[in-house]
Amino acid sequence: TQLLEQSPQFLSIQEGENLTVYCNSSSVFSSLQWYRQEPGEGPVLLVTVVTGGEVKKLKRLTFQFGDARKDSSLHITAAQPGDTGLYLCAVAGGTSYGKLTFGQGTILTVHP
Amino acid sequence: DAGITQSPRHKVTETGTPVTLRCHQTENHRYMYWYRQDPGHGLRLIHYSYGVKDTDKGEVSDGYSVSRSKTEDFLLTLESATSSQTSVYFCAISESRGLAADTQYFGPGTRLTVL
Repeated sequence: TQLLEQSPQFLSIQEGENLTVYCNSSSVFSSLQWYRQEPGEGPVLLVTVVTGGEVKKLKRLTFQFGDARKDSSLHITAAQPGDTGLYLCAVAGGTSYGKLTFGQGTILTVHP
Repeated sequence: DAGITQSPRHKVTETGTPVTLRCHQTENHRYMYWYRQDPGHGLRLIHYSYGVKDTDKGEVSDGYSVSRSKTEDFLLTLESATSSQTSVYFCAISESRGLAADTQYFGPGTRLTVL
């Protein structure tokens, strides 16, 4: 059983469409991170959310942390081909050393 | 970009041979991590280090060992490679002050194929 369940696993859309990716768990977390990974590269941090109900915006990307701090969503408005990649949510796996536990990831493909 | 390099970037080896992957950082970060990435599993932690000569196991440590003799280098060794260890391996570093929300910076990855 995965600590973090991401959905959907695959998403293929046309340029200009909106989309939402979900990251769910039955556990409560003090914080949650979203990373984006392009083919052939390592993941890069997009955002960290720490407060229940928190909403953060990064240009066309909107991140929300659930009120109960068990889930999070990533919404992309007017997707562009440059948004194509693997999106991963992650939580700290323990009380120290910064270890991360990742969800399975969502592979997003935006077609021109 | 954080100064993290991994070597080799690609390797093909045969079952039963030893393999060592190297991660080198120029950021002087205290914490270093090795992950493997497989389809449908995201990234899974193999081993991590919280200082020179201080290492511990992660979620999927069986068949792997690590060493850190200098702050800048973290080595991952497969003593006797198996086909199940075919994967993409990522090194990451963090300043991590023990807080949950520290950023991890990832290297470019090593693609390992065990035949």
